[in-house]
Formats: sequence, C-alpha cells, structure tokens
Amino acid sequence: EAQVTQNPRYLITVTGKKLTVTCSQNMNHEYMSWYRQDPGLGLRQIYYSMNVEVTDKGDVPEGYKVSRKEKRNFPLILESPSPNQTSLYFCASSLFRRKEVGFGYGYTFGSGTRLTVV
Amino acid sequence: SQELEQSPQSLIVQEGKNLTINCTSSKTLYGLYWYKQKYGEGLIFLMMLQKGGEEKSHEKITAKLDEKKQQSSLHITASQPSHAGIYLCGADSRDQGAQKLVFGQGTRLTINP
Repeated sequence: EAQVTQNPRYLITVTGKKLTVTCSQNMNHEYMSWYRQDPGLGLRQIYYSMNVEVTDKGDVPEGYKVSRKEKRNFPLILESPSPNQTSLYFCASSLFRRKEVGFGYGYTFGSGTRLTVV
Repeated sequence: SQELEQSPQSLIVQEGKNLTINCTSSKTLYGLYWYKQKYGEGLIFLMMLQKGGEEKSHEKITAKLDEKKQQSSLHITASQPSHAGIYLCGADSRDQGAQKLVFGQGTRLTINP
C-alpha cells in the first residue's frame, strides 16, 4: 500500500531533550515536506526536500533540522525542543513537479505526530 | 507569498441540508486541493482541480475551480454526520521556483442530527 509513515504518533517530552520524528514513504517520491498545524494558524511548512541531499527552509524552520540521505526517509529533528514547538506535525510526499510536465500529482500525508513539550 | 482564505471558518448545518465552503487565493491558482481532516487526525485527500472551470464530484461532494476569480468552492449535498470534520483547501505555490503547498485556515463543519 502506498503510504507515508510517521513515527511516533504521540510524544510527550521535556524541554531541551533532543528528539527525532521519522517519516518514510514507499512511493519513490522525490519531494517531501514537513508541516506543523496549530489552532488558528493552520498548516505551515517547516522544511522541504526536492530530492536526496537537497533540503530548504519553509515558513517556520527555526528550531528544526532535517536530513535527506535516502529518497524514502525525511526525519525531522528537534535539537532542543521548547514548549512553543508543541504541535501536530505532518509529513507529506509528492512527485516533484516540473514546469514541462505540469501539475498533475497529489500530495500524500502521513497520519500525524502529536508532540507535547513540557 | 500566496495566501488562501476559506469561508466560513465554521459551519453548523442540519443533517440533510446542502452547504458550500469557499476558498479564495491571493494569487493565480495552478493546482487546488481539497482535504478533509477529522479532529486531530491526518489529512484525507478529496479532490484536485487543475484547470479553470474544472468540476469534480465524489459521492455527494462537488468541487469547482474558478480560475479567473482565483477561487474554488466545495459543495456537499444532503449532508450526513460522516461529513463532519475540518475541510482544508491547499494550493500549489510557485514562489521563486520552489514547490510548496499552502493551506487555508480550514472550515470546521458540524452536522446536527
């Protein structure tokens, strides 16, 4: 089954304790992205990756790191989590759109990771 | 940067009634997605619209894209409790060549029996 798998689904941690949220897709997608969802603010992009070893900042990258060493994996790293990073996180993947091909591919989202930093 | 505004922000309708949710973009729409989210859960893909005037339907949900108005609408006919949730519109943004999906704030739909 084609899917994006995030782990863990729920996580409660303490301020300053490094953590990693994993994301894996089995669709050979080039593009992967992380979003956070907060009440009243909607979904905001944290980081994205166009392909292996190619990553870039989204709208709210502060306090986060990512890596893309393999095509299928795109982990989100919080080196020193703070309470303002308490949120619902989503990973998404898609085929990369090229202008000549046009837009024709959807995004597949993971089930989400609910992170609480105390 | 591109922004999407959804209206209404919340909607309460009686079971069996029709309803419409709108999504308006600040820039030209190249691809428009509709997702549904159960509270605190993942996003379920509903439909993708690409061309102006395009209309798609799935069961009792119909979505249209008005490219000139930079707007899309989602219409539910004869609403059911299973339609309750948060509806999100998303658009492909072409800011500076980067691929990005931007979202509206969401519309919270409640269906009263």
